[in-house]
Amino acid sequence: QKEVEQNSGPLSVPEGAIASLNCTYSDRGSQSFFWYRQYSGKSPELIMFIYSNGDKEDGRFTAQLNKASQYVSLLIRDSQPSDSATYLCAVNEYTGRRALTFGSGTRLQVQP
Amino acid sequence: AAGVIQSPRHLIKEKRETATLKCYPIPRHDTVYWYQQGPGQDPQFLISFYEKMQSDKGSIPDRFSAQQFSDYHSELNMSSLELGDSALYFCASSPRRQGEEQYFGPGTRLTVT
Repeated sequence: QKEVEQNSGPLSVPEGAIASLNCTYSDRGSQSFFWYRQYSGKSPELIMFIYSNGDKEDGRFTAQLNKASQYVSLLIRDSQPSDSATYLCAVNEYTGRRALTFGSGTRLQVQP
Repeated sequence: AAGVIQSPRHLIKEKRETATLKCYPIPRHDTVYWYQQGPGQDPQFLISFYEKMQSDKGSIPDRFSAQQFSDYHSELNMSSLELGDSALYFCASSPRRQGEEQYFGPGTRLTVT
């Protein structure tokens, strides 16, 4: 079992809808949580990070963290076709190993 | 804003050859990470450096080595290349502060023939 689990998708939503991406992690020592967007053949682009329980909003993106449930999610409001990409959830321990452990990613398709 | 710079962007090598990948972190970032991403896979951590010292080691083969220099740039040296080493190699840098968000470079696509 991977330490970071994501539904591989594809998750298909219509343009303008809210896309909800989910991620669970197994290591309770995980401290920081990241969402990266990756287009095919390109590098991961950091879009959100969160390390406190609750919600964090940045533009159309909201990250939600629940450490008790070991669950982190990403909401994308007003989804655009340009949001179509693979979204990678990543965690690190901060106080221990700082390297990121990635999930396998969820492929999002926004239909025009 | 300045980003992570990697060179070369593309590299083609034959089996058993050597390759050197370079990474220049974002200014004032003191930590560098190397990741390998095979086709259809998520990035896998190889090795990291903090203040020019190796700080963590992941699934890096013994054929690979890396170092960070006084100007904080890092090089990943790969020897006795195998077909299975064909992948995207990313360098990421981060500042040492809470969260330590990592910013990725554009990557080097290595093809071993």
